Amino acid sequence: GAVVSQHPSWVICKSGTSVKIECRSLDFQATTMFWYRQFPKQSLMLMATSNEGSKATYEQGVEKDKFLINHASLTLSTLTVTSAHPEDSSFYICSASPPGLAGDSTDTQYFGPGTRLTVL
Amino acid sequence: DQQVKQNSPSLSVQEGRISILNCDYTNSMFDYFLWYKKYPAEGPTFLISISSIKDKNEDGRFTVFLNKSAKHLSLHIVPSQPGDSAVYFCAASASAGGTSYGKLTFGQGTILTVHP
Repeated sequence: GAVVSQHPSWVICKSGTSVKIECRSLDFQATTMFWYRQFPKQSLMLMATSNEGSKATYEQGVEKDKFLINHASLTLSTLTVTSAHPEDSSFYICSASPPGLAGDSTDTQYFGPGTRLTVL
Repeated sequence: DQQVKQNSPSLSVQEGRISILNCDYTNSMFDYFLWYKKYPAEGPTFLISISSIKDKNEDGRFTVFLNKSAKHLSLHIVPSQPGDSAVYFCAASASAGGTSYGKLTFGQGTILTVHP
């Protein structure tokens, strides 16, 4: 099956520092990956769509300068939370869709295990 | 603007009985629907999906029903097992020009508890 990994699984940092989260598709290539955020007892909210070799597409209300996304290869996307503040503390999850028969991504997204970010 | 809604925050079921989880949507452009299971501090696990050209899809103990006219879908788990206890999210996506775009909109989730 399609496996997506994330690293680190949890991170604690001081306010003002930057944190990088990696998302990897382990057994397939993904031209598109997605980054979500989940606050406690709330739904998953799409933050941005990461496109290999091009700029990410951000959802309304998500600061692109604060949440930097880089999709340098077909198996790796990174999310960098810059100048993190306590309100950025959340559970960040990435997902990717395996390519379909026609080479396009399928609708079924497979999720990574998530990264718990705590900003002190 | 909640385009995908799960109006029941929680559901409690006895082991062996049927669990029915409901989901409503408002965006008529949605044409692909998925159910995910999630444990705390873990990423969602894909369970089952259904395309808008179908009204039912079955996979083992899991069956998803889609009522397009009512913009409603449901997940049936039978028989329910204690290991099914988790948060269940429904999600929807809209294809763009025949090519899957992949962007998912999630409901708020329903906490399912299956008692032994």
